Amino acid sequence: NAGVTQTPKFRVLKTGQSMTLLCAQDMNHEYMYWYRQDPGMGLRLIHYSVGEGTTAKGEVPDGYNVSRLKKQNFLLGLESAAPSQTSVYFCASSYTLSGGETQYFGPGTRLLVL
Amino acid sequence: GEDVEQSLFLSVREGDSSVINCTYTDSSSTYLYWYKQEPGAGLQLLTYIFSNMDMKQDQRLTVLLNKKDKHLSLRIADTQTGDSAIYFCAERGGSGNTGKLIFGQGTTLQVKP
Repeated sequence: NAGVTQTPKFRVLKTGQSMTLLCAQDMNHEYMYWYRQDPGMGLRLIHYSVGEGTTAKGEVPDGYNVSRLKKQNFLLGLESAAPSQTSVYFCASSYTLSGGETQYFGPGTRLLVL
Repeated sequence: GEDVEQSLFLSVREGDSSVINCTYTDSSSTYLYWYKQEPGAGLQLLTYIFSNMDMKQDQRLTVLLNKKDKHLSLRIADTQTGDSAIYFCAERGGSGNTGKLIFGQGTTLQVKP
């Protein structure tokens, strides 16, 4: 049981390049989330998904796209990277919405856009 | 809109108690959470409190909730060097059942030996 995994761990892009970040979870969770973490700003939600085949915008969706073709995977795409997208990206997943259910976080992907 | 605020830094000596504070704006929050982030790692849930409670204790951790003032605190008793990390307060926000969390900026806890 690996939990939530993210690939790659670190990436350097040039402005205008594209890339896809992969998140995978093996806990059969319905809900998955992509956050970005910037110094002094906590985590901000980019996009999320409440089930296979569904996605929705979060707080800061501009410049990103997502897909949830399989329940266990949630992909985050940058079509044309910009320096403002330099950040640490975290994926999370959760099972139910009842009680104090928690989101399980991946280890993060560090992205530098030059 | 929903907002969560925390002080950015706290320094304590090993063995002392640490108190990390958080304020939030969404009065309809049902759950409030404390997460811990160690260097280079993702966030790990420490504890949570339901909004109809005013206190929750879990070993060295005590969570206090003042719903009237929308103030949440995390007390760590007998703080150890291994407690050095960033602590995030979060509330369950957003409309509908999406499980979205609104995070504070994080408080860096430095524990001096």
